[in-house]
Amino acid sequence: GQQLNQSPQSMFIQEGEDVSMNCTSSSIFNTWLWYKQDPGEGPVLLIALYKAGELTSNGRLTAQFGITRKDSFLNISASIPSDVGIYFCVSSYGKLTFGQGTILTVHP
Amino acid sequence: ETGVTQSPTHLIKTRGQQVTLRCSSQSGHNTVSWYQQALGQGPQFIFQYYREEENGRGNFPPRFSGLQFPNYSSELNVNALELDDSALYLCASSLVENTEAFFGQGTRLTVV
Repeated sequence: GQQLNQSPQSMFIQEGEDVSMNCTSSSIFNTWLWYKQDPGEGPVLLIALYKAGELTSNGRLTAQFGITRKDSFLNISASIPSDVGIYFCVSSYGKLTFGQGTILTVHP
Repeated sequence: ETGVTQSPTHLIKTRGQQVTLRCSSQSGHNTVSWYQQALGQGPQFIFQYYREEENGRGNFPPRFSGLQFPNYSSELNVNALELDDSALYLCASSLVENTEAFFGQGTRLTVV
């Protein structure tokens, strides 16, 4: 089945630093989604990408849909403590397939 | 506009019992999907319902079943509970032609 390889698995950063995470797959997708999940809560949609090469921003977050359609990355600029959580890349082909997640810790 | 709501939020069941989890979809959304999230892992697709019919299923046994009602709300039923069924169960709603899915807060199921 479809498998997404998300990296890094975890990140420990200082408040104010920029963050970058990415996701790759052996399959081609038409849609990439990025979600954030806080402990004990459901995932929240951050950014949706529908076109190869597309670069989309949502506040301090920027995500890109890779040209090969097999990868995507998410950048967070000037991190703040509330950015703490688990970030998932998600492919959509009927169902949603989640990557393993990147656990982000931000030290004040 | 109301978001996706799930009930109950927490549940403890004994191995072998049956459980029903409920989900109300976001206003205007006609597709509901259910996901199982084990501790430390990403959510895994169980199945999807559209117009009251199952419209795709993940790698879960038949003791996982569901329903969708005319108002697009949904139920997830799990029979013969096993210890490994302990997980966060997430419901997500979407428009069938739009892949953006919006999740509820989940139901934490513990099987003892």
